[in-house]
Amino acid sequence: TQLLEQSPQFLSIQEGENLTVYCNSSSVFSSLQWYRQEPGEGPVLLVTVVTGGEVKKLKRLTFQFGDARKDSSLHITAAQPGDTGLYLCAGVKSGGSYIPTFGRGTSLIVHP
Amino acid sequence: DSGVTQTPKHLITATGQRVTLRCSPRSGDLSVYWYQQSLDQGLQFLIQYYNGEERAKGNILERFSAQQFPDLHSELNLSSLELGDSALYFCASSVDPVGTIYFGEGSWLTVV
Repeated sequence: TQLLEQSPQFLSIQEGENLTVYCNSSSVFSSLQWYRQEPGEGPVLLVTVVTGGEVKKLKRLTFQFGDARKDSSLHITAAQPGDTGLYLCAGVKSGGSYIPTFGRGTSLIVHP
Repeated sequence: DSGVTQTPKHLITATGQRVTLRCSPRSGDLSVYWYQQSLDQGLQFLIQYYNGEERAKGNILERFSAQQFPDLHSELNLSSLELGDSALYFCASSVDPVGTIYFGEGSWLTVV
């Protein structure tokens, strides 16, 4: 059983479209991280959200942490081919070892 | 380039064999993590070292072992290899156990 469930698993869209990916859990996290992984490379941290209800923006990417700190979403506006990659969410539990636990990811392809 | 160096990048070996994966963390980082990424399991945490000492253990098999040396580089030893051990193995590092984690490019292991 995966601690963090990500949906959708795969997403193929055209350049200019908007999209949202979700990260859900039954567990409460002290913080939640989003990473992007491109082929042949390791995951790269995009953002960390720590407060329930927090919204963070990174250019065309908007990240939201759920009020109960159990879920998160990533919204991309006007997707570009450079956004193509595997988007991973990772939760960090409070009082633990601060090791991020990863979901299986959403594989995004943006076609020109 | 994250600054985390992993060797080898690709490795093909037979079942029953033993391999060693090597990792040099970013300059100044004291904490090293090992993760395994496969299609069916996603990115799974294996083990963490901090300044030479084991700090946290995840889903690491008994056939696998790791260590961090005084110069802070780390090695992951995989023995009695099985077909199911074929995966991408990532090393990551952070300045301390709660700092941002930076991933290397991974070592592709194929067991035939």
